[in-house]
Amino acid sequence: KAGVTQTPRYLIKTRGQQVTLSCSPISGHRSVSWYQQTPGQGLQFLFEYFSETQRNKGNFPGRFSGRQFSNSRSEMNVSTLELGDSALYLCASSLGPSGTYEQYFGPGTRLTVT
Amino acid sequence: AQKVTQAQTEISVVEKEDVTLDCVYETRDTTYYLFWYKQPPSGELVFLIRRNSFDEQNEISGRYSWNFQKSTSSFNFTITASQVVDSAVYFCALSEAPPNTGNQFYFGTGTSLTVIP
Repeated sequence: KAGVTQTPRYLIKTRGQQVTLSCSPISGHRSVSWYQQTPGQGLQFLFEYFSETQRNKGNFPGRFSGRQFSNSRSEMNVSTLELGDSALYLCASSLGPSGTYEQYFGPGTRLTVT
Repeated sequence: AQKVTQAQTEISVVEKEDVTLDCVYETRDTTYYLFWYKQPPSGELVFLIRRNSFDEQNEISGRYSWNFQKSTSSFNFTITASQVVDSAVYFCALSEAPPNTGNQFYFGTGTSLTVIP
């Protein structure tokens, strides 16, 4: 069974631009969660999608948004990039809502904002 | 206030030593879930264990064991006879289930474990 895949793996953007990251969950998994990992703030929950609906959202500004498609694939968008958005963005999938099911993480997308 | 506290930032042990990673959590919910994840140098988080708040039974899986104590709000992780391959950053996490809003997921800051051969 293929694991969680994230594309692209590395990305360099400049301040003010926007970026879209993609996550393909494990086949059959309906929940996709996104996390931001930085040395200073650690792992922080961004949002979770389950059956195409945003189920929960962490404490991030509205510049961070996401969506989930009918095939459970998910995208995350960050608009008006800031230097502080440089981070490893991790996607995790689970059979059902996160918290009650094991999450399987992808390798992440390393975003660098210059 | 931190929902999940991992006070040990870095730990170094010599191979074959036992090591315990501490995790203290804070929640008002009666229903919640606790997790441990391992993040090896490759970067991909690996799920280790999930416990729900109603199951305080300790668990052992090979060289790994977990001690869940609601009285002290702790969920500690012990590696017995550590090996070099155990070198990684370990994260403890808490998932709350507030009504109508889905699960809130909180990670600790991680403990970096180095096992010296």
